[in-house]
Amino acid sequence: AQTVTQSQPEMSVQEAETVTLSCTYDTSENNYYLFWYKQPPSRQMILVIRQEAYKQQNATENRFSVNFQKAAKSFSLKISDSQLGDTAMYFCAFILTNAGKSTFGDGTTLTVKP
Amino acid sequence: GAVVSQHPSRVICKSGTSVKIECRSLDFQATTMFWYRQFPKKSLMLMATSNEGSKATYEQGVEKDKFLINHASLTLSTLTVTSAHPEDSSFYICSAGGTGGGYTFGSGTRLTVV
Repeated sequence: AQTVTQSQPEMSVQEAETVTLSCTYDTSENNYYLFWYKQPPSRQMILVIRQEAYKQQNATENRFSVNFQKAAKSFSLKISDSQLGDTAMYFCAFILTNAGKSTFGDGTTLTVKP
Repeated sequence: GAVVSQHPSRVICKSGTSVKIECRSLDFQATTMFWYRQFPKKSLMLMATSNEGSKATYEQGVEKDKFLINHASLTLSTLTVTSAHPEDSSFYICSAGGTGGGYTFGSGTRLTVV
């Protein structure tokens, strides 16, 4: 069975600063995808960024980037130039290539302070 | 992009009555949809996997007779909470898609049983 661990229940960052959210996972499989989802106060789940396990290059999406360390089974999210609208709960998720359901971490609540 | 519509967004019902929540994929066909329950500031708890044209697959500990799932077409899955009680009050979310593309989530339904 796969597990996803987010060790930081809550974090805060000053506006315009950079913050990194950690995520580790455990699997014996080799083919999978990793995701970060954002859930703002509206509670709408939004896909932030995705990473294919077979790709060595770290994924980036504008201000969001990941540090994917496959051997260490680590998948951290870096948010640069933090904005007030980044305030949300962030979930790390794992899915096997040939499976339908994801495994979600417990989430990290990020607060961006003005 | 892919859109999943979930209705209603909020519902209040009396104890002992049943409530139906709909989840529709608007611009794509979803042979599989997922239903989650989320408590405040907690992660998503997968309740069941909804399969078009066949029975849903429930996670361990989820009462099949209380949470009825129907996936009658490629664009519609419904979750019916039967004989609702106050402890069923929660936030329910559906999703579709998955694997490499990541999930598209509905906007969620806040159920309050009084």
